[in-house]
Amino acid sequence: KNEVEQSPQNLTAQEGEFITINCSYSVGISALHWLQQHPGGGIVSLFMLSSGKKKHGRLIATINIQEKHSSLHITASHPRDSAVYICAVLPTSGTYKYIFGTGTRLKVLA
Amino acid sequence: EAQVTQNPRYLITVTGKKLTVTCSQNMNHEYMSWYRQDPGLGLRQIYYSMNVEVTDKGDVPEGYKVSRKEKRNFPLILESPSPNQTSLYFCASSLRGDYGNEQFFGPGTRLTVL
Repeated sequence: KNEVEQSPQNLTAQEGEFITINCSYSVGISALHWLQQHPGGGIVSLFMLSSGKKKHGRLIATINIQEKHSSLHITASHPRDSAVYICAVLPTSGTYKYIFGTGTRLKVLA
Repeated sequence: EAQVTQNPRYLITVTGKKLTVTCSQNMNHEYMSWYRQDPGLGLRQIYYSMNVEVTDKGDVPEGYKVSRKEKRNFPLILESPSPNQTSLYFCASSLRGDYGNEQFFGPGTRLTVL
């Protein structure tokens, strides 16, 4: 079992839909990151969370440390949101090594 | 412009021919890292560096070397590349390695080893 699991693996939505991507992890963490990888391959950091909730535009990320779970929500989805969304955790093991989920491939149809 | 640069962006080489992929950042970041990305496996960390002259292995360090002689540069060296090192490689940096500071990623290097 992977230490970081994402669901769903693939997601197709219609423009305007509310989207939720989930990330569950099995280790204690210092921080959790949500990353976005566009079809061209570049990776950008969307959020870094250690507790609570963050919002940036139409994107909202939440984390529940006790349940070891995070969600990324996209409101009013748009075709330009089509990308792979990757969850990454920094364990509290003290080695500063990141563990990544395998990503959720999102396609938003116009 | 704050950025992480990698060179080359694309490389096709043959087994056993030593190569270096360069990585440079202009943000005075302490933490730098190399990842490889393979279909179905996601991103995996190869090596990371907490600061100048401080490097440590990630999850898949076999067949790779790194050095951190200057704060801005973190080259990835493949002394004797093999076909199983064909992959998409990303360099990333962040202000510090602890507390999960935001990581800035380079554009990626697509390496093919024949």
